[in-house]
Amino acid sequence: NAGVTQTPKFQVLKTGQSMTLQCAQDMNHNSMYWYRQDPGMGLRLIYYSASEGTTDKGEVPNGYNVSRLNKREFSLRLESAAPSQTSVYFCATSRAANYGYTFGSGTRLTVV
Amino acid sequence: AQSVTQLGSHVSVSEGALVLLRCNYSSSVPPYLFWYVQYPNQGLQLLLKYTSAATLVKGINGFEAEFKKSETSFHLTTPSAHMSDAAEYFCAVSDSGGKLIFGQGTELSVKP
Repeated sequence: NAGVTQTPKFQVLKTGQSMTLQCAQDMNHNSMYWYRQDPGMGLRLIYYSASEGTTDKGEVPNGYNVSRLNKREFSLRLESAAPSQTSVYFCATSRAANYGYTFGSGTRLTVV
Repeated sequence: AQSVTQLGSHVSVSEGALVLLRCNYSSSVPPYLFWYVQYPNQGLQLLLKYTSAATLVKGINGFEAEFKKSETSFHLTTPSAHMSDAAEYFCAVSDSGGKLIFGQGTELSVKP
Protein backbone atom coordinates (compact mmCIF):
# COMPACT_ATOMS: atom_id res chain seq x y z
CA ASN A 1 0.00 0.00 0.00
CA ALA A 2 2.82 2.38 -0.93
CA GLY A 3 0.80 4.99 -2.85
CA VAL A 4 3.38 7.19 -4.63
CA THR A 5 7.06 6.29 -4.34
CA GLN A 6 9.86 8.66 -5.30
CA THR A 7 13.53 7.80 -5.59
CA PRO A 8 16.04 8.95 -4.60
CA LYS A 9 15.12 10.95 -1.49
CA PHE A 10 18.30 13.05 -1.59
CA GLN A 11 20.78 13.84 -4.33
CA VAL A 12 23.74 16.17 -4.79
CA LEU A 13 24.84 16.90 -8.35
CA LYS A 14 27.61 18.94 -9.85
CA THR A 15 26.70 21.56 -12.43
CA GLY A 16 26.37 19.91 -15.83
CA GLN A 17 25.66 16.42 -14.56
CA SER A 18 22.51 14.58 -15.52
CA MET A 19 20.12 12.49 -13.50
CA THR A 20 16.65 10.97 -13.55
CA LEU A 21 14.14 11.23 -10.74
CA GLN A 22 11.85 8.24 -10.55
CA CYS A 23 8.20 8.13 -9.57
CA ALA A 24 5.96 5.08 -9.35
CA GLN A 25 2.35 4.77 -8.21
CA ASP A 26 0.21 1.78 -7.35
CA MET A 27 -3.11 3.68 -7.23
CA ASN A 28 -4.12 3.00 -10.84
CA HIS A 29 -4.47 6.74 -11.49
CA ASN A 30 -4.28 8.05 -15.03
CA SER A 31 -2.83 11.49 -14.26
CA MET A 32 0.66 12.09 -12.93
CA TYR A 33 2.53 15.34 -12.21
CA TRP A 34 5.95 16.71 -11.37
CA TYR A 35 6.23 19.85 -9.23
CA ARG A 36 9.13 21.73 -7.73
CA GLN A 37 8.90 23.47 -4.38
CA ASP A 38 10.98 26.53 -3.60
CA PRO A 39 10.73 28.75 -0.50
CA GLY A 40 8.09 31.45 -0.84
CA MET A 41 6.96 30.22 -4.24
CA GLY A 42 4.68 27.35 -3.38
CA LEU A 43 4.66 24.43 -5.79
CA ARG A 44 5.12 25.01 -9.49
CA LEU A 45 4.17 22.50 -12.16
CA ILE A 46 7.03 21.26 -14.34
CA TYR A 47 5.36 18.61 -16.49
CA TYR A 48 2.29 16.46 -16.33
CA SER A 49 0.84 13.37 -17.97
CA ALA A 50 -2.92 13.05 -18.32
CA SER A 51 -2.66 9.43 -19.38
CA GLU A 52 -0.16 6.79 -20.46
CA GLY A 53 1.62 7.91 -23.60
CA THR A 54 0.94 11.64 -23.22
CA THR A 55 2.97 14.39 -21.59
CA ASP A 56 2.58 18.17 -21.51
CA LYS A 57 4.55 21.14 -20.27
CA GLY A 58 3.59 22.96 -17.13
CA GLU A 59 4.59 26.35 -15.81
CA VAL A 60 8.39 25.78 -15.53
CA PRO A 61 9.48 23.07 -18.01
CA ASN A 62 12.82 24.52 -19.17
CA GLY A 63 15.78 22.29 -18.39
CA TYR A 64 13.65 19.19 -17.81
CA ASN A 65 12.30 16.25 -19.78
CA VAL A 66 9.84 13.55 -18.78
CA SER A 67 8.87 10.03 -19.75
CA ARG A 68 5.62 8.28 -19.00
CA LEU A 69 6.96 4.76 -19.25
CA ASN A 70 3.66 3.05 -18.45
CA LYS A 71 0.64 3.78 -16.31
CA ARG A 72 2.61 3.34 -13.08
CA GLU A 73 5.82 5.25 -13.80
CA PHE A 74 6.59 8.88 -14.62
CA SER A 75 10.23 9.98 -14.60
CA LEU A 76 11.79 13.45 -14.65
CA ARG A 77 15.19 13.96 -16.25
CA LEU A 78 17.66 16.79 -15.83
CA GLU A 79 20.02 16.62 -18.81
CA SER A 80 22.51 19.25 -17.61
CA ALA A 81 21.87 20.30 -14.04
CA ALA A 82 22.17 23.96 -13.04
CA PRO A 83 22.26 25.53 -9.55
CA SER A 84 18.84 27.09 -10.29
CA GLN A 85 17.44 23.56 -10.27
CA THR A 86 18.27 23.12 -6.60
CA SER A 87 14.85 22.40 -5.16
CA VAL A 88 12.55 19.81 -3.66
CA TYR A 89 10.76 17.81 -6.34
CA PHE A 90 7.39 16.20 -5.78
CA CYS A 91 5.58 13.65 -7.88
CA ALA A 92 1.79 13.43 -7.54
CA THR A 93 -1.06 11.42 -8.99
CA SER A 94 -4.74 12.15 -9.43
CA ARG A 95 -7.82 10.10 -10.02
CA ALA A 96 -9.90 13.06 -11.24
CA ALA A 97 -10.03 16.84 -10.88
CA ASN A 98 -12.35 16.82 -7.89
CA TYR A 99 -10.27 14.28 -5.92
CA GLY A 100 -7.09 16.30 -5.59
CA TYR A 101 -3.65 14.77 -5.58
CA THR A 102 -1.74 12.09 -3.73
CA PHE A 103 1.87 13.16 -3.27
CA GLY A 104 5.12 11.29 -2.94
CA SER A 105 7.51 12.17 -0.14
CA GLY A 106 9.77 14.22 -2.38
CA THR A 107 13.35 14.33 -3.68
CA ARG A 108 15.64 16.98 -2.25
CA LEU A 109 18.11 17.94 -5.00
CA THR A 110 21.13 20.17 -4.56
CA VAL A 111 23.17 21.28 -7.56
CA VAL A 112 26.62 22.68 -6.72
CA ALA B 1 -6.58 31.75 -15.72
CA GLN B 2 -6.92 30.42 -12.22
CA SER B 3 -4.72 31.71 -9.42
CA VAL B 4 -4.45 31.48 -5.65
CA THR B 5 -3.25 34.05 -3.12
CA GLN B 6 -2.48 33.17 0.47
CA LEU B 7 -2.32 36.21 2.72
CA GLY B 8 0.56 35.97 5.16
CA SER B 9 3.59 33.78 4.59
CA HIS B 10 3.89 33.17 8.31
CA VAL B 11 1.27 33.03 11.07
CA SER B 12 2.10 32.58 14.74
CA VAL B 13 -0.50 31.69 17.39
CA SER B 14 -0.50 30.50 20.97
CA GLU B 15 -1.53 26.97 21.84
CA GLY B 16 -5.32 26.87 22.27
CA ALA B 17 -5.92 29.98 20.15
CA LEU B 18 -8.02 30.24 17.01
CA VAL B 19 -6.17 29.67 13.76
CA LEU B 20 -7.20 31.50 10.57
CA LEU B 21 -5.24 30.97 7.36
CA ARG B 22 -6.45 33.06 4.45
CA CYS B 23 -6.85 31.99 0.84
CA ASN B 24 -8.35 33.90 -2.07
CA TYR B 25 -8.71 32.47 -5.53
CA SER B 26 -9.60 33.55 -9.01
CA SER B 27 -11.30 31.19 -11.39
CA SER B 28 -13.32 31.54 -14.56
CA VAL B 29 -15.24 28.36 -13.81
CA PRO B 30 -16.80 26.95 -10.62
CA PRO B 31 -13.71 25.89 -8.75
CA TYR B 32 -12.53 22.83 -6.92
CA LEU B 33 -10.54 24.08 -3.92
CA PHE B 34 -8.14 22.26 -1.64
CA TRP B 35 -6.07 22.74 1.48
CA TYR B 36 -2.92 20.67 1.97
CA VAL B 37 -0.61 20.43 4.97
CA GLN B 38 3.11 19.75 4.84
CA TYR B 39 4.98 18.71 7.94
CA PRO B 40 8.76 19.22 7.98
CA ASN B 41 10.63 17.05 5.47
CA GLN B 42 7.45 15.34 4.30
CA GLY B 43 5.18 15.41 1.29
CA LEU B 44 1.84 17.19 1.14
CA GLN B 45 -1.24 15.67 2.72
CA LEU B 46 -4.81 16.56 1.82
CA LEU B 47 -6.61 18.36 4.67
CA LEU B 48 -9.94 19.05 2.98
CA LYS B 49 -11.55 19.90 -0.32
CA TYR B 50 -14.50 21.84 -1.74
CA THR B 51 -16.16 20.29 -4.78
CA SER B 52 -19.45 22.27 -5.04
CA ALA B 53 -21.40 20.44 -2.36
CA ALA B 54 -21.63 21.99 1.14
CA THR B 55 -19.93 25.37 1.42
CA LEU B 56 -18.58 24.54 4.90
CA VAL B 57 -16.10 21.73 4.55
CA LYS B 58 -14.70 19.74 7.45
CA GLY B 59 -11.35 18.05 7.18
CA ILE B 60 -8.90 16.09 9.24
CA ASN B 61 -7.29 17.22 12.50
CA GLY B 62 -10.17 19.54 13.43
CA PHE B 63 -9.74 21.92 10.50
CA GLU B 64 -12.55 23.34 8.41
CA ALA B 65 -12.91 25.83 5.57
CA GLU B 66 -15.79 27.86 4.20
CA PHE B 67 -16.26 28.54 0.51
CA LYS B 68 -17.53 32.09 -0.05
CA LYS B 69 -18.20 32.74 -3.70
CA SER B 70 -18.99 36.43 -3.21
CA GLU B 71 -15.59 36.97 -1.60
CA THR B 72 -13.73 34.39 -3.75
CA SER B 73 -12.30 33.05 -0.51
CA PHE B 74 -11.65 29.66 1.05
CA HIS B 75 -10.14 30.42 4.46
CA LEU B 76 -8.95 27.60 6.73
CA THR B 77 -9.71 27.61 10.44
CA THR B 78 -9.40 25.53 13.56
CA PRO B 79 -10.81 26.72 16.89
CA SER B 80 -7.94 25.64 19.09
CA ALA B 81 -4.34 25.30 17.93
CA HIS B 82 -2.22 22.36 19.02
CA MET B 83 1.55 22.16 18.96
CA SER B 84 1.18 19.35 16.42
CA ASP B 85 -0.52 21.77 13.98
CA ALA B 86 2.78 23.53 13.32
CA ALA B 87 3.40 22.99 9.62
CA GLU B 88 3.14 24.69 6.24
CA TYR B 89 -0.30 24.97 4.71
CA PHE B 90 -1.05 25.30 1.01
CA CYS B 91 -4.27 26.37 -0.67
CA ALA B 92 -4.85 25.15 -4.24
CA VAL B 93 -7.41 25.53 -7.01
CA SER B 94 -8.01 23.03 -9.78
CA ASP B 95 -7.95 24.35 -13.33
CA SER B 96 -10.27 23.13 -16.06
CA GLY B 97 -7.84 20.34 -16.94
CA GLY B 98 -7.58 19.07 -13.37
CA LYS B 99 -4.14 20.48 -12.65
CA LEU B 100 -3.66 22.09 -9.25
CA ILE B 101 -2.43 25.67 -8.93
CA PHE B 102 -0.94 26.31 -5.52
CA GLY B 103 -0.64 29.38 -3.36
CA GLN B 104 2.70 30.42 -1.93
CA GLY B 105 2.08 28.66 1.36
CA THR B 106 1.61 29.83 4.96
CA GLU B 107 3.86 28.58 7.71
CA LEU B 108 1.99 28.13 10.99
CA SER B 109 3.91 28.35 14.24
CA VAL B 110 2.29 27.40 17.55
CA LYS B 111 3.74 28.83 20.75
CA PRO B 112 3.35 26.98 24.07
